[in-house]
Amino acid sequence: DTAVSQTPKYLVTQMGNDKSIKCEQNLGHDTMYWYKQDSKKFLKIMFSYNNKELIINETVPNRFSPKSPDKAHLNLHINSLELGDSAVYFCASSQLGHGYTFGSGTRLTVV
Amino acid sequence: SQQGEEDPQALSIQEGENATMNCSYKTSINNLQWYRQNSGRGLVHLILIRSNEREKHSGRLRVTLDTSKKSSSLLITASRAADTASYFCATVLRSNDYKLSFGAGTTVTVRA
Repeated sequence: DTAVSQTPKYLVTQMGNDKSIKCEQNLGHDTMYWYKQDSKKFLKIMFSYNNKELIINETVPNRFSPKSPDKAHLNLHINSLELGDSAVYFCASSQLGHGYTFGSGTRLTVV
Repeated sequence: SQQGEEDPQALSIQEGENATMNCSYKTSINNLQWYRQNSGRGLVHLILIRSNEREKHSGRLRVTLDTSKKSSSLLITASRAADTASYFCATVLRSNDYKLSFGAGTTVTVRA
């Protein structure tokens, strides 16, 4: 059983489109996250949710809207995609004070 | 700016040798974590060391933490080709338990 699963694995889309990435964890963790990894492998936190409540919004453009219907799911919707949004997006989950479990990533390419 | 800075950026060693990489950070931490990322894959948690701990071991991995110098090191002993990956340190600050901030990573290549 995959602990943190995100779909799709690859996403190629045109500028201006709207797309969603889904994430689910079966670890019973209270906290979920979205990270963006750029072409230089730098990982930056975007959002953090604890028990469905938004805790961190790391100055991410309003075009990015996370939604957590329950504590096992954290989806990411992106409006009006731009070339600069091309990156690998990772979902993760954790219990406070413990290591994170990451999904395998969604490689988003905006053309 | 990044909380963690890693050194070296890249490391190439022969199978069987030890690999050491260092991480420095700027502000007081709650804990520091090390992760491994194989090419094209997600990150895998290796070790978490809390601010009141000085050393931890896990298999062939040894992590040290020096809070007075705001630095940590990861040692991989008797390296194998399968250890080829990028290694990241990441910190959780005292001021924010919900934010794990990553360094730029060290790319390790183990030659057979």
